[in-house]
Order: sequence, then structure tokens, then C-alpha cells
Amino acid sequence: DQQVKQNSPSLSVQEGRISILNCDYTNSMFDYFLWYKKYPAEGPTFLISISSIKDKNEDGRFTVFLNKSAKHLSLHIVPSQPGDSAVYFCAATANAGGTSYGKLTFGQGTILTVHP
Amino acid sequence: KAGVTQTPRYLIKTRGQQVTLSCSPISGHRSVSWYQQTPGQGLQFLFEYFSETQRNKGNFPGRFSGRQFSNSRSEMNVSTLELGDSALYLCAGRRGARSDNEQFFGPGTRLTVL
Repeated sequence: DQQVKQNSPSLSVQEGRISILNCDYTNSMFDYFLWYKKYPAEGPTFLISISSIKDKNEDGRFTVFLNKSAKHLSLHIVPSQPGDSAVYFCAATANAGGTSYGKLTFGQGTILTVHP
Repeated sequence: KAGVTQTPRYLIKTRGQQVTLSCSPISGHRSVSWYQQTPGQGLQFLFEYFSETQRNKGNFPGRFSGRQFSNSRSEMNVSTLELGDSALYLCAGRRGARSDNEQFFGPGTRLTVL
């Protein structure tokens, strides 16, 4: 049972344009969501996160949108740069009683390729 | 400030052997979580340690175990290795405060079981 899904295995975008990566979840208990970027032979790098009490969070070129009713989140990268080419993972966690217990549930990842 | 370190980076073992992997989180990070990444299953949570106590556990057999030391360094042990244990093992640290969710990952240990 895959509780976090990234339905697009890959995405190709031209430099300077917007990249939109999507993620769906099924577990209603998830209340915190994160995006990670991963290069080959490296561990995932934290990008941006959002709490379920918000519907948008922005950090520079990265914006995450959360639609709780649809159980859907997306990551927007504007403008996209060739250095953004990597695998992007969305992750979710459920805080029990307001306490995080260190378990992230990950999607399968989307390979983003930004062409110069 | 130094990042998360994992040793060794690469390891080759044979079926039936056991292996111990090590993780040192960023200074001040008291929680360490371990994950297994495989092409088929993706990134899956193994367990989390906080203040030397296992606080959460994923759906893995008892052959997978871990511990944490007073300096927050953590070790993960896999006994009686199987071919399917070949994977990238990642650890991630965080401060461990009540509502602290962001985890910072090490580069991983690539385990190959022959």
C-alpha cells in the first residue's frame, strides 16, 4: 500500500521555464510534507516543507502548494536551471500528539531534467 | 558545520554474514532515523533512535537492528544477510525537538550482498 505517490517518473523542462512536480497521498494522518532532491551517489538534500495548517510555502525559486481536500501537493521551481536536474522525492509524516517520531514516508521519486 | 557522515560508503558481503553500519549526525542533532533504498521499494523507514532509545520502527524483520550512543552516533546491524538486503542504507538526523520534522541525510552506505 503506497501511501505517498509520485505518478510521473520523469519530467523534462526547458531552462528558464517552470517545473511542476506532483505528489498525492492517501493517509489522512499525514500533517507535514517535505520535498527532497537527490543526486546519484549522494543522500537526499532537504529543499522545502509545509505544514498541513498552511496551503503554500515559498523559499526562493521553490514553492510548495498543499491541497488537503484533494490530498495533493506540488513543488514549483521557477525559473528552472540545469543544476536542478536531479531526482525529487516528496515525503510525508504524521505527528502523533504534536510530536514527530522521525518516520518519513517517501514517494517513488520524479526525475527532473532541465535542458539548457 | 560538518554534515552527516556514514561509514563505510561501500560494502560487499556474502549471504549469511552480518554487517554493521555507522552514522554520525550533525552536532546537536539527537535523533537518527535509518532508511533503506532499493529500486523496487524506494525509500523505506527502518527505525528511529532518540536519546539512545528506539522510538519508532518500520516494517522490517528482526534481523535489522540498531542502537544509539550517548554522543548521538548510531549503528545499524543486519544479521544473516540475504541477497535482497542489497541496498543503499541512509541515515538522517534531526534535532529531535517536539515538532521538528526536517531530516538531514548522510551520503549513504551501498551494501552489496553476493
